[in-house]
Amino acid sequence: KAGVTQTPRYLIKTRGQQVTLSCSPISGHRSVSWYQQTPGQGLQFLFEYFSETQRNKGNFPGRFSGRQFSNSRSEMNVSTLELGDSALYLCASTSLAGAYNEQFFGPGTRLTVL
Amino acid sequence: SQKIEQNSEALNIQEGKTATLTCNYTNYSPAYLQWYRQDPGRGPVFLLLIRENEKEKRKERLKVTFDTTLKQSLFHITASQPADSATYLCALDHNGNKLVFGAGTILRVKS
Repeated sequence: KAGVTQTPRYLIKTRGQQVTLSCSPISGHRSVSWYQQTPGQGLQFLFEYFSETQRNKGNFPGRFSGRQFSNSRSEMNVSTLELGDSALYLCASTSLAGAYNEQFFGPGTRLTVL
Repeated sequence: SQKIEQNSEALNIQEGKTATLTCNYTNYSPAYLQWYRQDPGRGPVFLLLIRENEKEKRKERLKVTFDTTLKQSLFHITASQPADSATYLCALDHNGNKLVFGAGTILRVKS
């Protein structure tokens, strides 16, 4: 089985712009979670989607949003980018919803905001 | 406040020795605790999951313990090898809805 794929792998944006990141889960996995990883804050949960519905959300401002399509692929969007949004954005898929299952992570998208 | 604490300092050990990594948590009541390995520039990779009613879990050279009284998990790598050098993350479920990760411990195994 192919693993979780994320595109693009690297992205450079300027403050005020918006960005859309994409995640394709492992075939058959219906849950996709997004995380932000920074040196200072570590890995922080953004949100989880299961069967096209957002199940859970972390403590991030409304500038961070996401969606999931019927084929389980997911996108996350960050609007009005700030310097502090520079981070590695990781998505992870599981076959079932919730935090009781091992997460299969993608390689991440490295976002740099200038 | 809720916290997950892992060894903040990097752990340097000699090849062949046992590495022991610590994960302590405060004000969480996890039903599950997971350990992941992360190499630079890559996403975390799942290693082990242990349930609250399990004291110990093993997988090859890996062993994890979970003490809900002490609110602590220990992760052991026996007969460590330079290839085990990586950052190790513990994660616990928060009300079953999301995984909360510790900051990770850098392990360096020297030959």
